[in-house]
Amino acid sequence: LAKTTQPISMDSYEGQEVNITCSHNNIATNDYITWYQQFPSQGPRFIIQGYKTKVTNEVASLFIPADRKSSTLSLPRVSLSDTAVYYCLVSFRGGGYNKLIFGAGTRLAVHP
Amino acid sequence: NAGVTQTPKFRVLKTGQSMTLLCAQDMNHEYMYWYRQDPGMGLRLIHYSVGEGTTAKGEVPDGYNVSRLKKQNFLLGLESAAPSQTSVYFCASSFPGTSGGRYTDTQYFGPGTRLTVL
Repeated sequence: LAKTTQPISMDSYEGQEVNITCSHNNIATNDYITWYQQFPSQGPRFIIQGYKTKVTNEVASLFIPADRKSSTLSLPRVSLSDTAVYYCLVSFRGGGYNKLIFGAGTRLAVHP
Repeated sequence: NAGVTQTPKFRVLKTGQSMTLLCAQDMNHEYMYWYRQDPGMGLRLIHYSVGEGTTAKGEVPDGYNVSRLKKQNFLLGLESAAPSQTSVYFCASSFPGTSGGRYTDTQYFGPGTRLTVL
């Protein structure tokens, strides 16, 4: 199974760009990568998903190098409300087979 | 739409007692999941279902059973609760799709059930 590794915690300041990297050395050909955000006492919330290269949406960007052994979530100009835990998920789904490996999460603290 | 709801929100059990956690979704999703979350451990998959009437084991299935009799509901049962099952339980649902020939998926999570086993 594709194990994922993330930094336990990160600190930033309002207005800065934050990059969180997830390592998934054993990622398989059909695995895709998803990032979730979780606030205290809430369930995780989808942020962004990708298979290769770069994906961008209204809240974040996801960078995946050619070897796909890591991925980087980029949050532009963070605010205090971005303080949360961020999870990297490697998952494969084909023919009814599910493989879902969540990382332990990165606790991001944004300071004024 | 209520999205994904979980019942109850909190529960305290004594060792050996049984209980059922209910998850309901109104998004017509095919896939549903049960996770547990322990401090510093992230989310671990207990059981999942890819459709009505089907269930399968996840990473940590021991001590739990599940049923998916209706598409919108996914039940998680603890037959004989143990202190090691003290955790926060999250249910999720998703609609699988494809993009560029690859499978894609977005999970929607419920608010969680905080269970304490004494």
